[in-house]
Amino acid sequence: DQQVKQNSPSLSVQEGRISILNCDYTNSMFDYFLWYKKYPAEGPTFLISISSIKDKNEDGRFTVFLNKSAKHLSLHIVPSQPGDSAVYFCAASAHYGQNFVFGPGTRLSVLP
Amino acid sequence: EAGVTQSPTHLIKTRGQQVTLRCSPISGHTSVYWYQQALGLGLQFLLWYDEGEERNRGNFPPRFSGRQFPNYSSELNVNALELEDSALYLCASSFGTGLSNEQFFGPGTRLTVL
Repeated sequence: DQQVKQNSPSLSVQEGRISILNCDYTNSMFDYFLWYKKYPAEGPTFLISISSIKDKNEDGRFTVFLNKSAKHLSLHIVPSQPGDSAVYFCAASAHYGQNFVFGPGTRLSVLP
Repeated sequence: EAGVTQSPTHLIKTRGQQVTLRCSPISGHTSVYWYQQALGLGLQFLLWYDEGEERNRGNFPPRFSGRQFPNYSSELNVNALELEDSALYLCASSFGTGLSNEQFFGPGTRLTVL
């Protein structure tokens, strides 16, 4: 039973437009969430995080929104750039940083 | 600053064999995490070591084991390999286990079991 779900395996967006990647979770004990980006042949790299005491965190072109009641978070990339093309993983943990559970990932393709 | 390193990069084994994967964390990081990424699946948490101790393990059988050395490097051992163990094994390290413990990942070891 997947505790962290990313229901869109892939997403294509035009350069300059907004990319929205979605993530749903089932465990109400999760209180810390992260997004990682992964290029082929490389390990995932940390992108942005949010704790359950917030509903939004912004870092440059990247914004993460958390809706605790819906157990849903989303990553917005504005504007999207071709270099953003990668697989994006959503991860969640309970007790702040222990035992992260990752979603299956969404492959984002930003078209020039 | 050197990142997380893993060795080997690729490995081919046959069913029933044993394998050892190695990970060197970023200097100063005390926590090491191991993940398995099988084809089509997300990262599955395997093991977490901190200060030489196993702190937590994921839902994997006991033939998956490991250890962390005094220099904080780590090994992942898999005994009695099965075909479904074919996957990318990722190691990550972090400084401590607090709220801001961003995990830095290595490039992974691709294990193929024939």
